[in-house]
Amino acid sequence: GEDVEQSLFLSVREGDSSVINCTYTDSSSTYLYWYKQEPGAGLQLLTYIFSNMDMKQDQRLTVLLNKKDKHLSLRIADTQTGDSAIYFCAELKDFGNEKLTFGTGTRLTIIP
Amino acid sequence: GAGVSQSPSNKVTEKGKDVELRCDPISGHTALYWYRQRLGQGLEFLIYFQGNSAPDKSGLPSDRFSAERTGESVSTLTIQRTQQEDSAVYLCASSTNQGYNEQFFGPGTRLTVL
Repeated sequence: GEDVEQSLFLSVREGDSSVINCTYTDSSSTYLYWYKQEPGAGLQLLTYIFSNMDMKQDQRLTVLLNKKDKHLSLRIADTQTGDSAIYFCAELKDFGNEKLTFGTGTRLTIIP
Repeated sequence: GAGVSQSPSNKVTEKGKDVELRCDPISGHTALYWYRQRLGQGLEFLIYFQGNSAPDKSGLPSDRFSAERTGESVSTLTIQRTQQEDSAVYLCASSTNQGYNEQFFGPGTRLTVL
């Protein structure tokens, strides 16, 4: 498809793991990113993965990449109230033309 | 250090008026991007500047939209004869265009066209 797709909403209990999924468009995309947008704040890069990797771990964050299915996921372990935000996946399709294609964003809500 | 700044933070205008939005990138960042974020939607690419190369304007939605950048510094996005569908948050980002090329985003300008 032409669009980067994400589920719009996810609710998770505090302390559980959150898994946010994304289907991107171009199997030749070089970098895939997860950005976080908190209320009233700009987007911040949370993590990224290069296309020759299938997994990347960074503290509570685990990124999984399935190039065959063009599927990217972000797992947040031990989800905390501070993780409440909108999470956007993005792909860099064309190394040399650095514009990003973003998904619609997943709003993560933490249930106390 | 200073991040990406944008002004104004909010702009309310009447349909048919022109608006100018400003972006100050991080010093030394050669690449600058403009995106649009409509309510409840993802970011939509508008335009990309890289150094002195010709900008990539492929995302501009109509000829009412234009942008300029002076060297590797300030950029302005101009929307002429604004329409209600132009209402959105306009985000600017800059990057070094190296490595994994993290884009650093400004806080955005919220444009409301009445």
